Amino acid sequence: AQTVTQSQPEMSVQEAETVTLSCTYDTSESDYYLFWYKQPPSRQMILVIRQEAYKQQNATENRFSVNFQKAAKSFSLKISDSQLGDAAMYFCAYRPGTYKYIFGTGTRLKVLA
Amino acid sequence: GAVVSQHPSRVICKSGTSVKIECRSLDFQATTMFWYRQFPKKSLMLMATSNEGSKATYEQGVEKDKFLINHASLTLSTLTVTSAHPEDSSFYICSARDGTKGLYEQYFGPGTRLTVT
Repeated sequence: AQTVTQSQPEMSVQEAETVTLSCTYDTSESDYYLFWYKQPPSRQMILVIRQEAYKQQNATENRFSVNFQKAAKSFSLKISDSQLGDAAMYFCAYRPGTYKYIFGTGTRLKVLA
Repeated sequence: GAVVSQHPSRVICKSGTSVKIECRSLDFQATTMFWYRQFPKKSLMLMATSNEGSKATYEQGVEKDKFLINHASLTLSTLTVTSAHPEDSSFYICSARDGTKGLYEQYFGPGTRLTVT
């Protein structure tokens, strides 16, 4: 079965510091996409970053970057220079060719001033 | 671009009544829309996948007669919760897929909070 595991229910980071959120997944597919979504208190799901499995290069979006380890089936999110606005629930998601997302259980990120 | 709206954002209904939630893609044609349910402090649970002009595909354990989904046009899908009960109270989120783009990106609506009294 395809599963996504986020082992950190909650994380805290000091403002301006760096934090890494973990995600592992299980699949037998070779072609798929991985995502990190942010869900602030408004509950609107916001795409943070996307990684195509066929690309070896790790995706980056400004202060957000991923460490994609395909063989280990690991997809962690690094947030640099954390800001108060980064506080939210973060969901890791996997999408195989059927286009259905499989979400992890989420990590609540707290940013301390 | 790529905006998805949901209406209403909040709804309160009495037990036994039905309530309809709309999901619209505002600036693109959504060949496929997805309906999720999210319990407090939990992840998103996919309820069903709806393709324009065809019957929705429901996930295991989701009652199709209770959660009626209609995808009548390329920009509108509706979820009707029939004979609602307090246990149906939840946050419902839709997403729409832009099939014209190679990445098949999904865009999420802002969600609808349903409270059944």
